[in-house]
Amino acid sequence: ETGVTQTPRHLVMGMTNKKSLKCEQHLGHNAMYWYKQSAKKPLELMFVYSLEERVENNSVPSRFSPECPNSSHLFLHLHTLQPEDSALYLCASSQGAGTSGTQKQFFGPGTRLTVL
Amino acid sequence: AQSVAQPEDQVNVAEGNPLTVKCTYSVSGNPYLFWYVQYPNRGLQFLLKYITGDNLVKGSYGFEAEFNKSQTSFHLKKPSALVSDSALYFCAVRDAGDYGQNFVFGPGTRLSVLP
Repeated sequence: ETGVTQTPRHLVMGMTNKKSLKCEQHLGHNAMYWYKQSAKKPLELMFVYSLEERVENNSVPSRFSPECPNSSHLFLHLHTLQPEDSALYLCASSQGAGTSGTQKQFFGPGTRLTVL
Repeated sequence: AQSVAQPEDQVNVAEGNPLTVKCTYSVSGNPYLFWYVQYPNRGLQFLLKYITGDNLVKGSYGFEAEFNKSQTSFHLKKPSALVSDSALYFCAVRDAGDYGQNFVFGPGTRLSVLP
């Protein structure tokens, strides 16, 4: 399971901190995703990048800021988070841009974020 | 907009018995359907998908799923459950006519296989 890696695996931060989550995929895919997984809630899609261009932004608060500098790397910059933002943040990648939605997603192990 | 329902939060089954994890979906067009499994402290792993063709799809670890268009269902099945199958299972759907990249996941069903 080294196709999609995420760092750090665990992060504890205060509400005034600034931190970044990193995702890297080694699969040659051209689409990358950020998901939020909270206890007892469905997986929430946050952002989608296809060919390094953001194509999906599901009403995510501005305290979450994604960055996709190239097709292999995806960041999620965090700023002035709230305790309810504590969750598992999953990165995923897939091959298929534009109209191609048949490709399965490969997930990273996630970053467990705790906001104090 | 598409949506996915997994009506059972928890499914318990004895080892060696058949298992079923239910999924129903709603899309405006034709669906692409997926099942993923998540083991503790791990990301999601792909099990199988339905895009087109045979309604019965076979996937990893002996799992299969049956696409039923009239009932808008895509239930996950396995003839004989193993204790190691205990995990969280997610159904996901994408509308084939949606030119975006978004997948919608169900809330997950926790499967416990009892020895």
